[in-house]
Amino acid sequence: AQSVTQPDIHITVSEGASLELRCNYSYGATPYLFWYVQSPGQGLQLLLKYFSGDTLVQGIKGFEAEFKRSQSSFNLRKPSVHWSDAAEYFCAVGAWAGNMLTFGGGTRLMVKP
Amino acid sequence: EAQVTQNPRYLITVTGKKLTVTCSQNMNHEYMSWYRQDPGLGLRQIYYSMNVEVTDKGDVPEGYKVSRKEKRNFPLILESPSPNQTSLYFCASLPGTGAIEAFFGQGTRLTVV
Repeated sequence: AQSVTQPDIHITVSEGASLELRCNYSYGATPYLFWYVQSPGQGLQLLLKYFSGDTLVQGIKGFEAEFKRSQSSFNLRKPSVHWSDAAEYFCAVGAWAGNMLTFGGGTRLMVKP
Repeated sequence: EAQVTQNPRYLITVTGKKLTVTCSQNMNHEYMSWYRQDPGLGLRQIYYSMNVEVTDKGDVPEGYKVSRKEKRNFPLILESPSPNQTSLYFCASLPGTGAIEAFFGQGTRLTVV
């Protein structure tokens, strides 16, 4: 069975600092990987996704993520965090369309002024 | 506008009183799914549907029912709600085989007292 682990429940960074959110997955084949963001009181918005090809993927809002097969990781990064990035971030893995997604427990990001 | 619509957004109910949370998508998607979100646990799949009249259990189906009589609608039914079903619920849809980007509704916050 597939699974996703986000080791950091909470992360606090200063505005303008760099950010890396960790995600480790367990899946037997090449997974489909996603990062979603949930702002307070909002639904989930897709930040980026990896299907195949280039292991560094770019997303919206200046985010990027790197797929590392040898480490079973798909960490999310942003070079300079803005106060509006404060939210909860979810990593997810999907096997195929009909089987939908398995989510990690989420990482709540707080941004200090 | 392409969207997944859930109703109601907020609901407080009493133990044992049957309720239905509706989900409708206007994108002609084949796949639909229900998740519940609990702190520290991320999103866990309750039920999913691969097409009209085709539904299957996800990871946490106990206490829930679903139906898929029409392609656009996928209601979640709680026959006898209990306090442990207090949660934030999300409906999602996918276009079909080969498409793996899920579209999420805005969420329904359910409180069972």
